[in-house]
Amino acid sequence: DGGITQSPKYLFRKEGQNVTLSCEQNLNHDAMYWYRQDPGQGLRLIYYSQIVNDFQKGDIAEGYSVSREKKESFPLTVTSAQKNPTAFYLCASSPDREDGGYTFGSGTRLTVV
Amino acid sequence: GDSVTQMEGPVTLSEEAFLTINCTYTATGYPSLFWYVQYPGEGLQLLLKATKADDKGSNKGFEATYRKETTSFHLEKGSVQVSDSAVYFCALSYYTGTASKLTFGTGTRLQVTL
Repeated sequence: DGGITQSPKYLFRKEGQNVTLSCEQNLNHDAMYWYRQDPGQGLRLIYYSQIVNDFQKGDIAEGYSVSREKKESFPLTVTSAQKNPTAFYLCASSPDREDGGYTFGSGTRLTVV
Repeated sequence: GDSVTQMEGPVTLSEEAFLTINCTYTATGYPSLFWYVQYPGEGLQLLLKATKADDKGSNKGFEATYRKETTSFHLEKGSVQVSDSAVYFCALSYYTGTASKLTFGTGTRLQVTL
């Protein structure tokens, strides 16, 4: 079955460390997205990519970095510059068409210890 | 900019009660509108969508109608079940020519009790 796989499901990071969250899709979707979810704040867009080797900042990109070397993969790195990284991170993808809704992964919960 | 406003939760209902979750939006053009559902510890799932004014989206007994005159997309269900307990997100999107960008509301938690 096609879908989006995020790993790991839970991740613990020490202060000052960089960590990378994986996102892989086999839906042949062109666009991929990273969202951050905090309690009571809904979802906020971190980065998105419309095509391989290209990506754009979302609303809260500071302290994060991404790459899009393959169509299927869009990893997110949470750097030590991100001051409050504890959150639930969701990856999504969508087809390149006007009415395309998003398909979401099951998320990664990151906790700073 | 574009925004989505949802009623605050939690909404607590007894099983078989009627559900309404209000959603209004602010947008400069004519976006597509969506309802997503999130069960505990999981990602979001698309529940229904509408792409133009007066369209009605429906799925699993849930319905919502795209009302341009009131800029609303309220979610309704005639008889809720305990299994409907989840967080519901209203969202709008524009197609930029290469990708659709979603803007979400803050979510409304629904709790259904026996």
